[in-house]
Amino acid sequence: QKEVEQDPGPLSVPEGAIVSLNCTYSNSAFQYFMWYRQYSRKGPELLMYTYSSGNKEDGRFTAQVDKSSKYISLFIRDSQPSDSATYLCAMRQAGTALIFGKGTTLSVSS
Amino acid sequence: SAVISQKPSRDICQRGTSLTIQCQVDSQVTMMFWYRQQPGQSLTLIATANQGSEATYESGFVIDKFPISRPNLTFSTLTVSNMSPEDSSIYLCSVGTTSGTDTQYFGPGTRLTVL
Repeated sequence: QKEVEQDPGPLSVPEGAIVSLNCTYSNSAFQYFMWYRQYSRKGPELLMYTYSSGNKEDGRFTAQVDKSSKYISLFIRDSQPSDSATYLCAMRQAGTALIFGKGTTLSVSS
Repeated sequence: SAVISQKPSRDICQRGTSLTIQCQVDSQVTMMFWYRQQPGQSLTLIATANQGSEATYESGFVIDKFPISRPNLTFSTLTVSNMSPEDSSIYLCSVGTTSGTDTQYFGPGTRLTVL
């Protein structure tokens, strides 16, 4: 079993839809959880950061961490064509480098 | 957030040659990392670049193939040695911060094609 599992998609939605992206993980020592957005031919851009369990909201984006289920989610409300990108979940223990999921490719059509 | 630049942004190289990729950060950072992103794949950690000591390599990556330097807290290089087509990939520099958020930021990447 890989440490971080993420469905690669692709996921296609119409503009304005609510998007749900998810990752599961196996290492219960992970404490830091992040979502990155990567546009084609660009480096990953940090989108959301969460420490331990709970929810975090930033504009149209909400990140959720459920450590008991080893499950994290990213919700995008009122999705826009500019949200079309690959979304990577990433997580780590204290003092270590990030471990990434495979990324989910999202396409939002106008 | 840290601003990270990489040089070159892309290159096409011949089999058997070596390429050195530079990573420059606009502020001093404790942790610097090098990742590889192969076509259609996620990011794989190559090594942690340690200032003043040898890099720490992940399983499957060795110093002879990917020598790393880190002469100070704002700069690092990764060399891809004796290249083969299998080394064609995007190489990404990343820095960690401990400014309360403990996150990682990434450079724009170096797109390498080996013929």
